[in-house]
Amino acid sequence: KAGVTQTPRYLIKTRGQQVTLSCSPISGHRSVSWYQQTPGQGLQFLFEYFSETQRNKGNFPGRFSGRQFSNSRSEMNVSTLELGDSALYLCASSLAHRGTDTQYFGPGTRLTVL
Amino acid sequence: TQLLEQSPQFLSIQEGENLTVYCNSSSVFSSLQWYRQEPGEGPVLLVTVVTGGEVKKLKRLTFQFGDARKDSSLHITAAQPGDTGLYLCAGGTGGFKTIFGAGTRLFVKA
Repeated sequence: KAGVTQTPRYLIKTRGQQVTLSCSPISGHRSVSWYQQTPGQGLQFLFEYFSETQRNKGNFPGRFSGRQFSNSRSEMNVSTLELGDSALYLCASSLAHRGTDTQYFGPGTRLTVL
Repeated sequence: TQLLEQSPQFLSIQEGENLTVYCNSSSVFSSLQWYRQEPGEGPVLLVTVVTGGEVKKLKRLTFQFGDARKDSSLHITAAQPGDTGLYLCAGGTGGFKTIFGAGTRLFVKA
């Protein structure tokens, strides 16, 4: 069974631009969660989607948004990029809600904002 | 606020040594996962434990879930350089949240 895939793996953008990251979950998994990881803050929860609906949201500004498609694939978008958005963005999928089922992570997208 | 505290935060040891890392909380979790993450990659699941007192072994790694399901430990026997990485524990609340610890960064010197 294929694991969680994320594209692109690396991205360089400049301040003010916007970016869209993509995540394909493990086949059959309906929940997709997004995390931001930085050396100083560790893993920070962004949001979770389950059956195309956002079920939970972390403490991030509205510039961070996401969506999930009917095939469970998910995208997250960051608008008006800031230098502090540079991070590893991780997607994780699970069969059920993340609090009740094991999450499996993708390799991440490394975003650098210049 | 539910928290998972991991200790130590950083560990540097020689190849062949044994070590234990801890994951502690005042909250009860329905399940607990351990992950290992290498630089620039996503966390890779090592194990999930769900029963209080449960012990699972994965080659040289031994995982234990506390009887009260509030804490867990990971013991590595005869550490190897390939064990180097960031070890994360994560607790499932049974609801809509998973709590992650800040991680233990392990460096094993050859």
